[in-house]
Amino acid sequence: EAEVAQSPRYKITEKSQAVAFWCDPISGHATLYWYRQILGQGPELLVQFQDESVVDDSQLPKDRFSAERLKGVDSTLKIQPAELGDSAMYLCASSFGTGVVFFGQGTRLTVV
Amino acid sequence: QQPVQSPQAVILREGEDAVINCSSSKALYSVHWYRQKHGEAPVFLMILLKGGEQKGHEKISASFNEKKQQSSLYLTASQLSYSGTYFCGTERGNNAGNMLTFGGGTRLMVKP
Repeated sequence: EAEVAQSPRYKITEKSQAVAFWCDPISGHATLYWYRQILGQGPELLVQFQDESVVDDSQLPKDRFSAERLKGVDSTLKIQPAELGDSAMYLCASSFGTGVVFFGQGTRLTVV
Repeated sequence: QQPVQSPQAVILREGEDAVINCSSSKALYSVHWYRQKHGEAPVFLMILLKGGEQKGHEKISASFNEKKQQSSLYLTASQLSYSGTYFCGTERGNNAGNMLTFGGGTRLMVKP
């Protein structure tokens, strides 16, 4: 069964270090999303891509976060430098047009 | 703007019914429902488009009242496997993929 792949599953990093997450969406899904989920809260959209173009990144803290999807397939989300408040689950998701949004297993980030 | 979910938490005995509500102050195009178990990715349950149709999935169904901008998720004859956190994701327009805004979640616990 097709699924959204994310790596790593868990990441512990020290404050002020750089960290990167990778996502491979379901094949054929042009829309890719990065969400951040703080424990006990709902997912919050950070950035949405349509193919290789950014559709919305209004909630992305651009001073430290960056996202790219160079060939319109897989994507990388980077944080530099990481702060304690960045500890959260980072979820990647994809969809085909306006259909169902499928989530990956997420990367649990802990900043110490 | 984040939709409001109610109740925030509910505890049921196996076989009992529950209703989870999701309200928005803005006009909606669609409502998506997800269930998330601890440490796992959100799993899609169903989409409801404006038009007020009711959809069903096993013993879980949902409705969308376009006039009230409210959706309700109905869980009947609950099973232990229904335990988890339920999120509604709302979409205001269909012009750029699914730009979902998620509510804060409703934690459901089903006890034997």
